[in-house]
Amino acid sequence: AQSVTQLGSHVSVSEGALVLLRCNYSSSVPPYLFWYVQYPNQGLQLLLKYTSAATLVKGINGFEAEFKKSETSFHLTKPSAHMSDAAEYFCAVRSAREGGKLIFGQGTELSVKP
Amino acid sequence: DGGITQSPKYLFRKEGQNVTLSCEQNLNHDAMYWYRQDPGQGLRLIYYSQIVNDFQKGDIAEGYSVSREKKESFPLTVTSAQKNPTAFYLCASSRKSPLAGGELFFGEGSRLTVL
Repeated sequence: AQSVTQLGSHVSVSEGALVLLRCNYSSSVPPYLFWYVQYPNQGLQLLLKYTSAATLVKGINGFEAEFKKSETSFHLTKPSAHMSDAAEYFCAVRSAREGGKLIFGQGTELSVKP
Repeated sequence: DGGITQSPKYLFRKEGQNVTLSCEQNLNHDAMYWYRQDPGQGLRLIYYSQIVNDFQKGDIAEGYSVSREKKESFPLTVTSAQKNPTAFYLCASSRKSPLAGGELFFGEGSRLTVL
């Protein structure tokens, strides 16, 4: 069965600093991987997705993620944090074998200090 | 604009009452999903439907029921059998085949509080 682990429930960075949010997955088939962002009391918005094309995926708001099969990782990065990046981030894996449902990690709350 | 509409955004319920959360989409998506979100637990799948008049239980279906009579609509009923219903509920939809992109589109959520 597929699973996702996000390392660190809370990450704090200074404005302008590198953002690194970690995600490791477990999958017995080639995975589809996603990063979503959630602002308070709102739904989830797709940041980026990996669907077996390029291993370095660029998303919205300057975020990108690299798929590393050997490490079963899909870490999210952004070179320079903005105050508006403060939110909760979810990594998810979708399996072609399980009805197309998404399996989510526990989430990582990102705080950005001025 | 195309999207997913959930209502109500906030709902209060007394213990022992059933409540129904509405989810409507105009994206022409075949598949629809209900997730429950609790602090520190991520999102957990309650029910999903890949086609009209058909749906499957997710990981935490006990105490919930759904229907899919129309492609656009996938209401969720939280029954009195659900022991801890206070949570944030998210509806989502996607194209049927994960090979066609695979992403889920989410509504804005409904926050249910049991008094």
